[in-house]
Amino acid sequence: GNSVTQMEGPVTLSEEAFLTINCTYTATGYPSLFWYVQYPGEGLQLLLKATKADDKGSNKGFEATYRKETTSFHLEKGSVQVSDSAVYFCALDSGGYQKVTFGIGTKLQVIP
Amino acid sequence: SAVISQKPSRDICQRGTSLTIQCQVDSQVTMMFWYRQQPGQSLTLIATANQGSEATYESGFVIDKFPISRPNLTFSTLTVSNMSPEDSSIYLCSVGQSQETQYFGPGTRLLVL
Repeated sequence: GNSVTQMEGPVTLSEEAFLTINCTYTATGYPSLFWYVQYPGEGLQLLLKATKADDKGSNKGFEATYRKETTSFHLEKGSVQVSDSAVYFCALDSGGYQKVTFGIGTKLQVIP
Repeated sequence: SAVISQKPSRDICQRGTSLTIQCQVDSQVTMMFWYRQQPGQSLTLIATANQGSEATYESGFVIDKFPISRPNLTFSTLTVSNMSPEDSSIYLCSVGQSQETQYFGPGTRLLVL
């Protein structure tokens, strides 16, 4: 079956530090890959996505590249802000938009 | 993207009672999904709700415990029945509006005492 593995948090960074949250996956076929973000007290929001190998998703300064050879979709941001403090979920969908598989979530805390 | 609202946003309930959660979408969608997010955990799909047919439940979830209605293309309800403290979670509905992307509601935070 499908699975998503992401680094466990929490991750604590100082403002303007570089962020990497690792995500690897196991799936049949050619899944679409997503990063969702959950700010404190809110629901999930789609942050970015990539639908095929070598695609790069980007949004709000965050980037992730679909690496089929390493089955990875690591999330990066060059300079984090306090407002980026949230839980980040890596996810995949291997067939339309049914049965999205989520990783466990990585809590990011950015301190001033 | 779809705009999704849920009611209630949070509730505190006594064990043995039931709570119905409503999910409203601002556009017609074919597929709606209900997820549970237990404290410190990731999201687990409870069921898929299609208009005009019975919901499809994932392994470990049954209709008697989580009955779902889907009366039209913009609305769905999830009932958490005969609640116990283990049902304390965030319950989220989501919709699949475009291929390969799901949009989520803000969630309903449930605490069962």
